[in-house]
Amino acid sequence: AQSVTQLDSHVSVSEGTPVLLRCNYSSSYSPSLFWYVQHPNKGLQLLLKYTSAATLVKGINGFEAEFKKSETSFHLTKPSAHMSDAAEYFCVVSEWGSSASKIIFGSGTRLSIRP
Amino acid sequence: ETGVTQSPTHLIKTRGQQVTLRCSSQSGHNTVSWYQQALGQGPQFIFQYYREEENGRGNFPPRFSGLQFPNYSSELNVNALELDDSALYLCASSSRGGKNTEAFFGQGTRLTVV
Repeated sequence: AQSVTQLDSHVSVSEGTPVLLRCNYSSSYSPSLFWYVQHPNKGLQLLLKYTSAATLVKGINGFEAEFKKSETSFHLTKPSAHMSDAAEYFCVVSEWGSSASKIIFGSGTRLSIRP
Repeated sequence: ETGVTQSPTHLIKTRGQQVTLRCSSQSGHNTVSWYQQALGQGPQFIFQYYREEENGRGNFPPRFSGLQFPNYSSELNVNALELDDSALYLCASSSRGGKNTEAFFGQGTRLTVV
């Protein structure tokens, strides 16, 4: 069975400092992993995805994530936070290869940026 | 813009009523998934439709039902509305059949049950 755990419900960093949002997953099959961002009163936007190609994935707006199978992790990072990065971030696992593919969301991490 | 459109954007219903939410999927996508996002929580999977048949369901009661049409658009129906059904309902379309199972989300329908 799939599951996703986002280890921090809220992260606060200063503008210009690094961002780390943590995600651990479990999956019975070969998973696809995603990070989505949700700004207030807006829909979900895909930041990046891992689908068993390169383990270091680059996304939009300077975000990256590294797939570590041994640690079952897919942490999201950004070298330098910008005020516009303040939003809710969701780690998502999609199980591929099962008869009923579905997407499971983590509970979300709210990222706040201090001036 | 993802090409996934949902209607209406906002809706207020009374407890016990029925509601239908609509979703037009992105061109070329044959799979539609519905999610419920309560305030302050992550989206919860309701069900998925693939080629007009339900193909996977989350932990939601039977009063949550759906349809997918030949053009792959979809409806979510909720009967006997309860106050706890108040949430943002998100539709996601994707193209099933490979590792690239990226889903594109609509802006959602915000349902308020009073």
